[in-house]
Amino acid sequence: AQTVTQSQPEMSVQEAETVTLSCTYDTSESDYYLFWYKQPPSRQMILVIRQEAYKQQNATENRFSVNFQKAAKSFSLKISDSQLGDAAMYFCAYRRGVGGTSYGKLTFGQGTILTVHP
Amino acid sequence: GAVVSQHPSRVICKSGTSVKIECRSLDFQATTMFWYRQFPKQSLMLMATSNEGSKATYEQGVEKDKFLINHASLTLSTLTVTSAHPEDSSFYICSTRAGGRADTQYFGPGTRLTVL
Repeated sequence: AQTVTQSQPEMSVQEAETVTLSCTYDTSESDYYLFWYKQPPSRQMILVIRQEAYKQQNATENRFSVNFQKAAKSFSLKISDSQLGDAAMYFCAYRRGVGGTSYGKLTFGQGTILTVHP
Repeated sequence: GAVVSQHPSRVICKSGTSVKIECRSLDFQATTMFWYRQFPKQSLMLMATSNEGSKATYEQGVEKDKFLINHASLTLSTLTVTSAHPEDSSFYICSTRAGGRADTQYFGPGTRLTVL
């Protein structure tokens, strides 16, 4: 079974600074996707960024970027120029590639609460 | 992104009653919907996978007779918590998948259930 681990229950950052959230995962599969989701106080899950395992290039979405280390099974999220609106709970998630009864299922990490200080 | 709605957004019920939560995909046909449960400051735990026109697939440890799932159309899945008890109080979230290898899941806004 796949597992996703976020070892930082809480993180804080000053506004305009950079913060990195850690995530490791365990899988025996070669075809999978990794995601970072944001859950603000409204509790609406918002997709932040997605990485396909077969792509070596790290995904980037504006101020958000990932450091995908496939061999180490590590998938960290870097938030640059942090804004007050970035304050939320962040979840790392894993999804297998194609096929099988578990196709489409997301396995989430424990979450990291990010606080942004003005 | 796609729009997914859930109804109701919050519900309070008495112990022993049943509660139905609806999850609707508003702008695309969702062949598969997922139901998650989330306790305060904890992660999302998958409860079941709902496939249109077939029986839901439940995760280990989830009582299928207690959490009834019906996916009667490509835009609607329902989760019924039967004979609810205080320990069923939680935040329930659905997500939908449009299909395809590189598809993205879209999440509903969630339903907060409180059982007195």
